[in-house]
Amino acid sequence: DAGVIQSPRHEVTEMGQEVTLRCKPISGHNSLFWYRQTMMRGLELLIYFNNNVPIDDSGMPEDRFSAKMPNASFSTLKIQPSEPRDSAVYFCASNLGEGVVEQYFGPGTRLTVT
Amino acid sequence: AQSVAQPEDQVNVAEGNPLTVKCTYSVSGNPYLFWYVQYPNRGLQFLLKYITGDNLVKGSYGFEAEFNKSQTSFHLKKPSALVSDSALYFCAVRDLTGGSYIPTFGRGTSLIVHP
Repeated sequence: DAGVIQSPRHEVTEMGQEVTLRCKPISGHNSLFWYRQTMMRGLELLIYFNNNVPIDDSGMPEDRFSAKMPNASFSTLKIQPSEPRDSAVYFCASNLGEGVVEQYFGPGTRLTVT
Repeated sequence: AQSVAQPEDQVNVAEGNPLTVKCTYSVSGNPYLFWYVQYPNRGLQFLLKYITGDNLVKGSYGFEAEFNKSQTSFHLKKPSALVSDSALYFCAVRDLTGGSYIPTFGRGTSLIVHP
């Protein structure tokens, strides 16, 4: 299994531009999580999908952030417009969502907004 | 509600010495506890978990953790540290009382193993 796949691995953009981060979960997993990691705030959960449906988006910072999961094998996290304070590493993770199961994390996307 | 605390931002240990990374938790119901490790420029990797049963849980890379219900702790341990163990370690807790599948992560502890 290839594991959780994220793209791009690095993104540098200017303030005000739209940014789209992509994630392919492990085949067969029905839960998907988007996290943001910064030195100041640590690891923050942004949104959680189960069976492609957003279950908890209380961690999404503001309306500039949106996430979709059109099918079981693909999810996007979009920031529009981007701001310098959005600079962080964004992780996608997946698991079976049932029982006591660990999460499998992707390698992350390092976003820098200048 | 569920929460987890990792009281140490950094732990330093000499290679070959035993190591302990501390974690305490708070849940309403039964705790399900996890440890993850993050190497530089990588995602988090699962190390071990506690569900029920034996309080001593063994995991990957020679790590183990001890569940202590009275002290609400789940400390990560290894008898003999390696320089390659240097990484960021995260404790996570999940409380199934409300049927949530969302774990809460600690802020992480940086483990530095000196040669």
